[in-house]
Amino acid sequence: KAGVTQTPRYLIKTRGQQVTLSCSPISGHRSVSWYQQTPGQGLQFLFEYFSETQRNKGNFPGRFSGRQFSNSRSEMNVSTLELGDSALYLCASSLSSVYSYNEQFFGPGTRLTVL
Amino acid sequence: GQNIDQPTEMTATEGAIVQINCTYQTSGFNGLFWYQQHAGEAPTFLSYNVLDGLEEKGRFSSFLSRSKGYSYLLLKELQMKDSASYLCAVMDSNYQLIWGAGTKLIIKP
Repeated sequence: KAGVTQTPRYLIKTRGQQVTLSCSPISGHRSVSWYQQTPGQGLQFLFEYFSETQRNKGNFPGRFSGRQFSNSRSEMNVSTLELGDSALYLCASSLSSVYSYNEQFFGPGTRLTVL
Repeated sequence: GQNIDQPTEMTATEGAIVQINCTYQTSGFNGLFWYQQHAGEAPTFLSYNVLDGLEEKGRFSSFLSRSKGYSYLLLKELQMKDSASYLCAVMDSNYQLIWGAGTKLIIKP
C-alpha cells in the first residue's frame, strides 16, 4: 500500500509570491490534515479536510487556505509569502475524521524556504 | 491557552532506559499520542493513551495520568536507531491535536 505522498519535496520562493502544495493520502483514507513544523515550535495544526469539507481549522491567518478533491487528494495554498512561512509542511491522512481515535500517517513533507 | 510541555533534548546510553515526560494543559481531553520522528523523515505513530495507566508495546511503554495532566514515554534497551525526536500530542475537546515541540533524544554508545 503506497504511503502518503507530498509534492514538491522542496520549494524556494520569494516574499510576496504564492505557493501551492499537494498531498495524496493513502488509498481509502478520507481525512487529510495539514501541519506546519518549525524548529522549536513543534507541529502547528493548519486545517483538516474530510470528504471535501474543512472540518477543523487552526490559528493561522487567511493567507493559508486549502481544499480537498473528490479523490481525497488535498492542496494547501499560501498567498503573499512572508519570511516566517519558511517551514516544513506536513500532510497526514487517516481513515476517517479525527473526531475519533484514528492513527495519522504522515507524508515526508514539503520544505518551503522563503527568501 | 493550551500548552504541551516536554524537555527539549535528552541524552542516554545505548542499552539503558530513558523516560520522556510530557505535561499538558488543554481544553478537554480525548487522548494522548506519542510519535517518533527521525531527522528529515515524517513522524510515525508510537502509542495512544486515553485511560489512566501504562500501555506496553515491546521496548516502548506509555503512561497516562489524566488527573495530573501528565504522560511519559519509556524506552528500554536503547538502541542507536532510537535517536530521534519524540512528539507528544493531545486531542482536545474539539478533537484537534495539540502538539508539543518534541524531545530530541540522543543515544551515545
